[in-house]
This record gives sequence, C-alpha cells and structure tokens, in this order.
Amino acid sequence: DTGVSQNPRHKITKRGQNVTFRCDPISEHNRLYWYRQTLGQGPEFLTYFQNEAQLEKSRLLSDRFSAERPKGSFSTLEIQRTEQGDSAMYLCASSFPGAPAGNTIYFGEGSWLTVV
Amino acid sequence: RKEVEQDPGPFNVPEGATVAFNCTYSNSASQSFFWYRQDCRKEPKLLMSVYSSGNEDGRFTAQLNRASQYISLLIRDSKLSDSATYLCVVNEATDSWGKLQFGAGTQVVVTP
Repeated sequence: DTGVSQNPRHKITKRGQNVTFRCDPISEHNRLYWYRQTLGQGPEFLTYFQNEAQLEKSRLLSDRFSAERPKGSFSTLEIQRTEQGDSAMYLCASSFPGAPAGNTIYFGEGSWLTVV
Repeated sequence: RKEVEQDPGPFNVPEGATVAFNCTYSNSASQSFFWYRQDCRKEPKLLMSVYSSGNEDGRFTAQLNRASQYISLLIRDSKLSDSATYLCVVNEATDSWGKLQFGAGTQVVVTP
C-alpha cells in the first residue's frame, strides 16, 4: 500500500496519559499535515511540515501537543496529559508543493483517540 | 461564526432522485474550493474541485458563486452508494497549500 499510513489506528487512554501517533506519508510527498476531527465536525487544521520544517501551527495546537518530522519523512504527533476533549480522529495528510491544495492532498485513514 | 457553514441535514433522498445543497464561506479572498466525501468513520476523499464556471463530473455538478460566497453540489440520479457526508472545503491561502477549511458536512441518505 503506497498511501498515507497512520498508526495506531485506535487508541484508548486514561486521562492524563501521553499518547503518540505516527504518520508515514506518500514517499515522494514533502508536505505533511495534521488535522483533527471531532464527532459531527469537519477536520480542523493543526499543523504542517515541508520536509522537516514545521511551517505553520494552528492555535488549536496547545502546548500539550507537539508534532515532529525529524528527517522529513514520517511524522509524530504527541499529546501530553490527555484530556477528554482530546478524543477525536487525528488525520494525517501529505502532498507535494506546486499544485493547488485540496485536490492533491491525500489523507490517511486516521487515528482514533478515546480518552476515558 | 464558522468560516465554512453547511446545512448538516440529513437529506433523505429516494434512489434515483436529485438532491442539492449549498455551503457558504466567510473569507472573500478564498482561493480554491472543493467537495469531499466522507463515509462513516473513514477519511475524507476528494469528490471534485469547484470552478468558477461550474463543472460536472458524471452525476455530480458543482457551482461557485463568488459574489454571494456560496458553493453548491447537485447529485442527479442518486444511488444508494451516494449515502455519505459531503464536506465543503475552502483553501484560503495562496502559500499554505493544504491548509484547508472544512465545513461540518451535509449528510445524505439515499433510500431504496
């Protein structure tokens, strides 16, 4: 499968624990994005990388959230001291630059987080 | 106020019928527009781009009205497999490719 891969697909954690999600983008894509989607809402932009540089962060990304892409390939999204409000699907997407977004961005299947 | 607003539905549509729905966006400087489809607990997938002159893709027709800042989607000859949530998506930035603004989605349920 050469699509965007996310792991784990599902995670149940107790409030206050830390969780980490991994995203492996499509290999030739140098842009990588994280979105969050809660029930009944559309995805909300969190952050994006071009290669290893984190170029933009949403104000939704509180200081408990950190994303990295150390070698410009896979990325991790860590949530520290999880809260029940963090329960959501975390979507990773990738694209290459030089073309309009929206029709050249590919989403992974998402990582579902449930905080109990 | 949300930047992209949609009627959540559900729109209950008999098989073979036509259904249409809109979304509105708040940023008049928005650059590009799309409809995505999302099945239950799945990732969003691009359905079609929306061009200023309007465009069709098979049974799907999209329209953009920049003056009134709304986008529409029409589905003709609805199939059971069209049941999904349709997300209106706007790209506001010229340099932040991929920073998309999603509406909350319009649910369509096609019934036999």
